Amino acid sequence: SQQGEEDPQALSIQEGENATMNCSYKTSINNLQWYRQNSGRGLVHLILIRSNEREKHSGRLRVTLDTSKKSSSLLITASRAADTASYFCATDALSARQLTFGSGTQLTVLP
Amino acid sequence: EAGVAQSPRYKIIEKRQSVAFWCNPISGHATLYWYQQILGQGPKLLIQFQNNGVVDDSQLPKDRFSAERLKGVDSTLKIQPAKLEDSAVYLCASSLGVISGANVLTFGAGSRLTVL
Repeated sequence: SQQGEEDPQALSIQEGENATMNCSYKTSINNLQWYRQNSGRGLVHLILIRSNEREKHSGRLRVTLDTSKKSSSLLITASRAADTASYFCATDALSARQLTFGSGTQLTVLP
Repeated sequence: EAGVAQSPRYKIIEKRQSVAFWCNPISGHATLYWYQQILGQGPKLLIQFQNNGVVDDSQLPKDRFSAERLKGVDSTLKIQPAKLEDSAVYLCASSLGVISGANVLTFGAGSRLTVL
């Protein structure tokens, strides 16, 4: 079963706009990670946020985590066409030291 | 640093045939994973190795799937006999393991299997 569920399933925006993706999960976690997957490629790790953190930044990425609501969001600011990809959240649950991936958000950035 | 290598990139077979995928992880990565990603879905863990031992294979359909990691480096994933529903991308990933309480995976490009 998949622990994380992303919302929306698909998102289309114009270049320069911000993109926000959400992830909800079910069990307690050690940390939550976001990965990007370009078409026909493997997943690439973007950012990790630990259960005791509320917000984290990396370049144009901003991740928030609300453990009381069991949810996270990924914000990509000033999007570029090259950001077009699928984005997955992955949870590292307390009960199982393995990553469980959500179903992903397909982001399309139009030039 | 070389990435995770996988082969073949693409494979087309008929149902009931067999297929094998190979993975070479990043040097020094003790943990190796095989994930199955069906089109439009997120990756689902099939099996996790720590060195050459199996940590978790609870979601591996053992009647048709097998995997091994001899000498704790390269790994092969085999499907025999294949079914139509096995059409997917098979992703191999590796990691150093849990570092400072976190486990970050590096993925290969995947092997896309089409079963006709």
